[in-house]
Amino acid sequence: AQKVTQAQTEISVVEKEDVTLDCVYETRDTTYYLFWYKQPPSGELVFLIRRNSFDEQNEISGRYSWNFQKSTSSFNFTITASQVVDSAVYFCALSETSNTGKLIFGQGTTLQVKP
Amino acid sequence: EAQVTQNPRYLITVTGKKLTVTCSQNMNHEYMSWYRQDPGLGLRQIYYSMNVEVTDKGDVPEGYKVSRKEKRNFPLILESPSPNQTSLYFCASSDRGITEAFFGQGTRLTVV
Repeated sequence: AQKVTQAQTEISVVEKEDVTLDCVYETRDTTYYLFWYKQPPSGELVFLIRRNSFDEQNEISGRYSWNFQKSTSSFNFTITASQVVDSAVYFCALSETSNTGKLIFGQGTTLQVKP
Repeated sequence: EAQVTQNPRYLITVTGKKLTVTCSQNMNHEYMSWYRQDPGLGLRQIYYSMNVEVTDKGDVPEGYKVSRKEKRNFPLILESPSPNQTSLYFCASSDRGITEAFFGQGTRLTVV
């Protein structure tokens, strides 16, 4: 069965600290896609990144970076020099290749960045 | 502007009173889904649709109905809401099943 686990329920850091959000997934498919979404206090879901299973290159976008490791079935997200505006719930998700448009979400990690 | 629009944003209703949450997208996407978000559980898919008149159950379909008569609209219907359907609901659309999903603003439903 496909599953996404975000073991960290809540993380609290002080501004400018680096923080890593963990994501571990399970799937029997050889082709799959991984996503990260951000849910700020206003409640909407904001797309951050999509990764396919054949591309293990790490990605960096400004202060955000993602580390995809198939060997450990992990897709971790690091925020460098965190800011108060990074406070949000972050979801990792896995897309089934059955092509139903279904995303399997982790439980979410609540990140609080204190000034 | 590309967007998914849900209405209403907030709804308080009583047990058994039928309600509909509307969802509309302007991106000509084929795929649309409904999810519910509950604390500690993340988001779970309720129903999905791969095209007009094509719908199917997701992981938690009990107590819900959907329809897809037009490509842009995908309403969620609760025929007889119960308190365990109190949740935050999201509609999503995507171009294909594996591409980025765009989400609506969410509908916070309380059933008393």
